[in-house]
Amino acid sequence: EDKVVQSPLSLVVHEGDTVTLNCSYEVTNFRSLLWYKQEKKAPTFLFMLTSSGIEKKSGRLSSILDKKELSSILNITATQTGDSAIYLCAVVRDKIIFGKGTRLHILP
Amino acid sequence: GAVVSQHPSWVICKSGTSVKIECRSLDFQATTMFWYRQFPKQSLMLMATSNEGSKATYEQGVEKDKFLINHASLTLSTLTVTSAHPEDSSFYICSASSFVGTNRHYEQYFGPGTRLTVT
Repeated sequence: EDKVVQSPLSLVVHEGDTVTLNCSYEVTNFRSLLWYKQEKKAPTFLFMLTSSGIEKKSGRLSSILDKKELSSILNITATQTGDSAIYLCAVVRDKIIFGKGTRLHILP
Repeated sequence: GAVVSQHPSWVICKSGTSVKIECRSLDFQATTMFWYRQFPKQSLMLMATSNEGSKATYEQGVEKDKFLINHASLTLSTLTVTSAHPEDSSFYICSASSFVGTNRHYEQYFGPGTRLTVT
């Protein structure tokens, strides 16, 4: 059965800290891996990863895929309170399979 | 990025009535649309995958007679919750996707969601 597992489930850190969120998957016919940030409404797109070892970066956020280990990480450096959200990892095959998310809370 | 709209944003209905939610891709043609529901503090759960012009594929445990999906065009899909009950109260989100470009780059865009409350 296809599955996407995120860890940790929940994380609380202080502003300025760096966090690493993990996503591992067991999915047949893998096409790509997606990261989303969800605050109060629908998720907003962060990254799409298709190739192993190539880091994608956007400001303080970066992500990389390891197809050998069937995993991906999302890094956030110099965290701010506005980074508080649920971060969702999803794997694309002919449909999209979501992980349960990591709830990140940044303390001021 | 592409825009996907949902209508309505929020609906309150009485138990036993039916509610239709529309999902539109505004500036691209979506070969596939997905419908999700999300309960408080939980992740998105895929309900069904809908390809234009064909019947939707429902995930296990989702009643196809209760959640009617119509994908009549490449820009519009509708989800009708029939005979709604309080336990159907949830946040319903659609996404529209397409493989674009010569590399068949996958793009997916979410609608803003519809909050359904059944009293």
